[in-house]
Amino acid sequence: DIQMTQSPSAMSASVGDRVTITCRASQGISNYLAWFQQRPGIAPKRLIYAASSLQSGVPSRFSGSGSGTEFALTINNVQPEDFATYYCLQHSSYPITFGHGTRLEIK
Amino acid sequence: EVQLVDSGGGLVQPGGSLRLSCAASGFTFSNFWMSWVRQAPGKGLEWVANIKHDGSETYFVDSVKGRFTISRDNAKTSVFLQMKSLRVEDTAVYYCATGRDLSSWGQGTLVTVSS
Repeated sequence: DIQMTQSPSAMSASVGDRVTITCRASQGISNYLAWFQQRPGIAPKRLIYAASSLQSGVPSRFSGSGSGTEFALTINNVQPEDFATYYCLQHSSYPITFGHGTRLEIK
Repeated sequence: EVQLVDSGGGLVQPGGSLRLSCAASGFTFSNFWMSWVRQAPGKGLEWVANIKHDGSETYFVDSVKGRFTISRDNAKTSVFLQMKSLRVEDTAVYYCATGRDLSSWGQGTLVTVSS
């Protein structure tokens, strides 16, 4: 199984900050990587697919990068609605696996 | 607009069965893989299963193999998750989602396995 190591597990930021969340795959997954945002009590929402493609309707302050085993999600100019939990997902091989999540909190 | 409506959750005793449904609309259902993902209370996301657009291939996480089956009805644009021999650790919100990369999600349905 491919393990997705996501870091940090939690972080705090202020409105307007730039934050970066990373995911490391235990083996190469090319660009079969997506990022999701989940606010409490509601379904996750995909932000990024194919490692760096922005989902339609998602603000451009979100961006994804990486390929192979190292990936990052960056949020520029963090807004109040961005405080949530973020997950990475690999769908290169079965079983499909998620990272353990990063909780972004208000500083 | 893509819409996925999950249903069928509820309270079931250990060892029992439950069938979840996901009604899809707003896209060409028969062209898409469909997936199920779950989230135990206070925990992270776990991929459970998926099914190819024509139903010819299915895949499962190890913990549910032999107990869960996934199926679809392209004429009714629906996907199903049949769950048998349920365990306490299967307690979770279950979401259906489109594709292998989970582009759109249903609202989820809560399955509680408890005596």
